[in-house]
Amino acid sequence: SQTIHQWPATLVQPVGSPLSLECTVEGTSNPNLYWYRQAAGRGLQLLFYSVGIGQISSEVPQNLSASRPQDRQFILSSKKLLLSDSGFYLCAWSESAGELFFGEGSRLTVL
Amino acid sequence: DQQVKQNSPSLSVQEGRISILNCDYTNSMFDYFLWYKKYPAEGPTFLISISSIKDKNEDGRFTVFLNKSAKHLSLHIVPSQPGDSAVYFCAAGGNTGTASKLTFGTGTRLQVTL
Repeated sequence: SQTIHQWPATLVQPVGSPLSLECTVEGTSNPNLYWYRQAAGRGLQLLFYSVGIGQISSEVPQNLSASRPQDRQFILSSKKLLLSDSGFYLCAWSESAGELFFGEGSRLTVL
Repeated sequence: DQQVKQNSPSLSVQEGRISILNCDYTNSMFDYFLWYKKYPAEGPTFLISISSIKDKNEDGRFTVFLNKSAKHLSLHIVPSQPGDSAVYFCAAGGNTGTASKLTFGTGTRLQVTL
């Protein structure tokens, strides 16, 4: 069966520091991969998605970037965090269009 | 521009009764809709979906109704159980090729009381 994991689960970082959140999927090949963010009191906002290695689509302009160095690995990064980057980050995968399967989430607090 | 709206941030229902969660959308190009359930500090889990060519889909205690003319869908949970207490997100997707670019609502927190 397919599984998705992301880490770290919780992160507290100072403003201006770098960020790296990692997500891996097991049990499937060539999945579509996604990064969503849930800010306080808001819905889930799609940040990036990828349909293949090295292929990244950005949905909103921001301070973050994403990379897909391997088929089942998706990384969310920032060179310098802002206070507004705080939130709950969710990695997800899908086989094609349709249902998304989410990871456990990563809580980022920028101080 | 909020294309998917859940206007009720919270809902409280007694155990055994029906829970009705509502969702409105504005984009007529959406062709499938999903409901997700989320517990605190966890990722959302898929509950049920419906294609735009249908008006009802049922799975156990969960039923989703779609009214395309009103651009409205609802999730019915019958009977409600304490374990149903969570945040419920409505999501919508369109024909965007191979990727599943879902648009989510802001969620409704359901509290099922004893």
